[in-house]
Amino acid sequence: AQSVAQPEDQVNVAEGNPLTVKCTYSVSGNPYLFWYVQYPNRGLQFLLKYITGDNLVKGSYGFEAEFNKSQTSFHLKKPSALVSDSALYFCAVRDSGAGSYQLTFGKGTKLSVIP
Amino acid sequence: NAGVTQTPKFQVLKTGQSMTLQCAQDMNHEYMSWYRQDPGMGLRLIHYSVGAGITDQGEVPNGYNVSRSTTEDFPLRLLSAAPSQTSVYFCASSYLGLADTDTQYFGPGTRLTVL
Repeated sequence: AQSVAQPEDQVNVAEGNPLTVKCTYSVSGNPYLFWYVQYPNRGLQFLLKYITGDNLVKGSYGFEAEFNKSQTSFHLKKPSALVSDSALYFCAVRDSGAGSYQLTFGKGTKLSVIP
Repeated sequence: NAGVTQTPKFQVLKTGQSMTLQCAQDMNHEYMSWYRQDPGMGLRLIHYSVGAGITDQGEVPNGYNVSRSTTEDFPLRLLSAAPSQTSVYFCASSYLGLADTDTQYFGPGTRLTVL
């Protein structure tokens, strides 16, 4: 079985400061990892993904994430937070094995950027 | 492209009523899925489909039926609504393939209340 843990229900950060949203995963094979963002009363929007290759992945809106296989982590980062980054962030994983299509999401982390 | 569309946006049902949530995509995606989002629970997979005529159960399938007669459409049916099915429902779609990017695109959601 695959699973995702987002240990923080909420993260507060001051505008202009760096932000980190944590994610750890468990999967039997090699992982495909994703970050999505949800703004109030909206669907989920794709931010970035790790499939293979470089452990540092860059995505939309200045976000990046680092894949760490030994720590089974895929933390989301941004060097300088904006108030408009305030939203709900979801980490997701799926096993890269053939025939394994299900995406498992974490419970989400609410990010609040304080002006 | 309209992407992934869902109707209705809001629905109120009485216990025992039936209804169908509609989902359509115009990206020729093979994979389609339904999730429910509940506070503190993240997104949980209800049913998914890897192509027309092929469906399978996800994590929380009880009380829901699906069918996939065309590539474009993937309706979710509630045969006898229960208060426990009060939730926000999201439909998502993606391509499939060995080197698949697996990026799932989400619809705007349907907010369902069962009284």
